[in-house]
Amino acid sequence: DAGVIQSPRHEVTEMGQEVTLRCKPISGHDYLFWYRQTMMRGLELLIYFNNNVPIDDSGMPEDRFSAKMPNASFSTLKIQPSEPRDSAVYFCASSFGGAGANVLTFGAGSRLTVL
Amino acid sequence: DQQVKQNSPSLSVQEGRISILNCDYTNSMFDYFLWYKKYPAEGPTFLISISSIKDKNEDGRFTVFLNKSAKHLSLHIVPSQPGDSAVYFCAASGWRSGGGADGLTFGKGTHLIIQP
Repeated sequence: DAGVIQSPRHEVTEMGQEVTLRCKPISGHDYLFWYRQTMMRGLELLIYFNNNVPIDDSGMPEDRFSAKMPNASFSTLKIQPSEPRDSAVYFCASSFGGAGANVLTFGAGSRLTVL
Repeated sequence: DQQVKQNSPSLSVQEGRISILNCDYTNSMFDYFLWYKKYPAEGPTFLISISSIKDKNEDGRFTVFLNKSAKHLSLHIVPSQPGDSAVYFCAASGWRSGGGADGLTFGKGTHLIIQP
């Protein structure tokens, strides 16, 4: 298995532009998580899905952020419009059976820079 | 409001000695604790975990200790090796009130540097 695949690995954009980050989870995993890493706040959980259904989006910073999971093998995190404070590394992770005793497998991350 | 706290941003240890990384949590509903390791430009990878019903779990050079009354856990690495230099994240999880697993809550991480 190729693991969790994220794209793009790096994205540089200007304030106000739309950003779309993509994630392909491990086949067979039924949970998908989006995290954001910043120096100030560490790793924050943004949203997670179970069987393609959003379960908890309370970590999404504001309405500019949205996430979808149209099928079991693909998810997107969209920021529209982007702002400099959105600059961070965004991680996608997947697991079978959710967190708790089950291990999350992370992708390599998408580093976003908003100028 | 940080529910999982790692108060040491960095730690430097000599090769061959013991590394001890600490983590405190505030949410008494957490029932599973994990340590993840992260190298630059990579995602975090799972290292070791412990259930709240245990106080110790060991895997090779890595041991995690849990003190529920103090809401504290620690990761011991012995002996420390140069390849252990990385950022270590403490994480915790619980269960949603409506049923189903919750997401992982992470600390801010501790950068461990193993010096030759």
